[in-house]
Amino acid sequence: SQQGEEDPQALSIQEGENATMNCSYKTSINNLQWYRQNSGRGLVHLILIRSNEREKHSGRLRVTLDTSKKSSSLLITASRAADTASYFCATADRGSTLGRLYFGRGTQLTVWP
Amino acid sequence: DTGVSQDPRHKITKRGQNVTFRCDPISEHNRLYWYRQTLGQGPEFLTYFQNEAQLEKSRLLSDRFSAERPKGSFSTLEIQRTEQGDSAMYLCASSFTSSPGGNQPQHFGDGTRLSIL
Repeated sequence: SQQGEEDPQALSIQEGENATMNCSYKTSINNLQWYRQNSGRGLVHLILIRSNEREKHSGRLRVTLDTSKKSSSLLITASRAADTASYFCATADRGSTLGRLYFGRGTQLTVWP
Repeated sequence: DTGVSQDPRHKITKRGQNVTFRCDPISEHNRLYWYRQTLGQGPEFLTYFQNEAQLEKSRLLSDRFSAERPKGSFSTLEIQRTEQGDSAMYLCASSFTSSPGGNQPQHFGDGTRLSIL
């Protein structure tokens, strides 16, 4: 079953604007990861944030994690048409030695030129 | 290209037929995962290998499904007596870890899209 839930389900913005996607999850986690998926392709790992971290940056990406609220957000700054894709959050359960990931349903981001 | 490779990319078959998919992970990766993704959903975990050992299977993986990873290298996923509900994208991912836990990103292939007629 899926653990995370992304919000919104769909987001449409103009190039240059910022895009913010949220993720909520249910159980205690080891880490939370964000992935991007272009249509018909596999998932590409964007960023991993551990449960003891609160914020992480990678290029135009900024991820926050609030374990007390069981939520995370992904901010893409100065978006580009090439950022158009589905974005998924995925969690790894605390205490799990297996590394299996639980994915949400994703946010479909469309960036208009 | 040294990424995760999956074959075939697309498979169309009639209900009741058997199908087999192959995944070649990144060569130094010791963990290999299979996921299934249906339209509008995120990937759902099916099974996981640490080297050649299959360590976990999801309840989604009925007895019609079997996966192998001989010699800890490539993996195959076979579906016997396919049903229309098996139509989905089957994704393979790999990662490397030298310690328990999941603090490593997973690298995904482009998947095999299965369509059951």
